[in-house]
Amino acid sequence: SQQGEEDPQALSIQEGENATMNCSYKTSINNLQWYRQNSGRGLVHLILIRSNEREKHSGRLRVTLDTSKKSSSLLITASRAADTASYFCVTMESGGGADGLTFGKGTHLIIQP
Amino acid sequence: GAVVSQHPSWVICKSGTSVKIECRSLDFQATTMFWYRQFPKQSLMLMATSNEGSKATYEQGVEKDKFLINHASLTLSTLTVTSAHPEDSSFYICGSNYGYTFGSGTRLTVV
Repeated sequence: SQQGEEDPQALSIQEGENATMNCSYKTSINNLQWYRQNSGRGLVHLILIRSNEREKHSGRLRVTLDTSKKSSSLLITASRAADTASYFCVTMESGGGADGLTFGKGTHLIIQP
Repeated sequence: GAVVSQHPSWVICKSGTSVKIECRSLDFQATTMFWYRQFPKQSLMLMATSNEGSKATYEQGVEKDKFLINHASLTLSTLTVTSAHPEDSSFYICGSNYGYTFGSGTRLTVV
């Protein structure tokens, strides 16, 4: 069943600006991940943050995790046209390694040149 | 790192025919493979979980007789869409918890 809920559903910004996407979930998790999906194509794993971590960086990406609020955010700094894609937060529930990953509905990000 | 190879990338088939999608783990043994479906502009929904050497586990609402899953070896899981209809047209993607790796997906169009 769907757990993650991304916000906003769609976001359009100018190239060079920062993009922030948020994700909320409902149950206890082992970790939370963010994936990118270009239109009609496969998934690209961006970053994983464990339940005992609060913030993680990878290049232009910054992810935060607040387990008390059951929420996470993905910040893309200095956005580029190539960042245009859908972004999904994905959770693995605690003890649920054998139950698959649960995808949020995604945020469709459009970077305007 | 862990790599999952999914084939074919896209397929167009006639209504009533069956289509097989393969997912191979190239550099690791996948005892479990997850199959997802994604309709246009929607998120990925887990359809079923395949387990090597045993029956697959299907999510509620997924017809097991229509979506046949076979996981005969530690490196190969297959999804067969039987008697495909236009409403089965979708993007199908497999994934493994090992390394959080996904196949590249298969776009199925039933005409």
